Amino acid sequence: QKEVEQDPGPLSVPEGAIVSLNCTYSNSAFQYFMWYRQYSRKGPELLMYTYSSGNKEDGRFTAQVDKSSKYISLFIRDSQPSDSATYLCAMSAVNTDKLIFGTGTRLQVFP
Amino acid sequence: NAGVTQTPKFQVLKTGQSMTLQCAQDMNHNSMYWYRQDPGMGLRLIYYSASEGTTDKGEVPNGYNVSRLNKREFSLRLESAAPSQTSVYFCASSRTGGMNTEAFFGQGTRLTVV
Repeated sequence: QKEVEQDPGPLSVPEGAIVSLNCTYSNSAFQYFMWYRQYSRKGPELLMYTYSSGNKEDGRFTAQVDKSSKYISLFIRDSQPSDSATYLCAMSAVNTDKLIFGTGTRLQVFP
Repeated sequence: NAGVTQTPKFQVLKTGQSMTLQCAQDMNHNSMYWYRQDPGMGLRLIYYSASEGTTDKGEVPNGYNVSRLNKREFSLRLESAAPSQTSVYFCASSRTGGMNTEAFFGQGTRLTVV
């Protein structure tokens, strides 16, 4: 079993839809949770960063962490065609140099 | 605003050939990393360097060597390339000794081994 599981998609939604992207994990030591966005043929870029449990909002993006269920989510409101990309969850434990990535979910937002 | 620069962007090798992937960052980051990305596998850590002069193995180090030449540069070497090493390789850097702060990625090197 992988430490981090993520549905690869693709997920196809119309413009304006609310998108929900999710990851589950097995390592209870994970404390830092991130979402990266990767456009085609580009390197990943950090989108959201959360420490421990709770919610974090940044514009149209909301990240949620439920440590009791070992489940993290990224919500995108009012999705735009420019949001079309692969979204990777990533997580790490305290005092470690290793960031473990999910496989990524490919999102397509059509006009 | 160069950030993390990788060279080359594309490379085709024959089985058994060797090559070095170069990576340089201009953000004065302590930590640098090499990942490979394959379809359905996500990003997998090959090697990392928490600081100048130190390197450690990641999840998939076999067939690779690294050199942290100085604080700016971290190279990845394939001594005898194999078709299984066909992948997209990403270099990344971060400010602290761990990946618990933002990691910046390069644009990637697309390597094909035939």
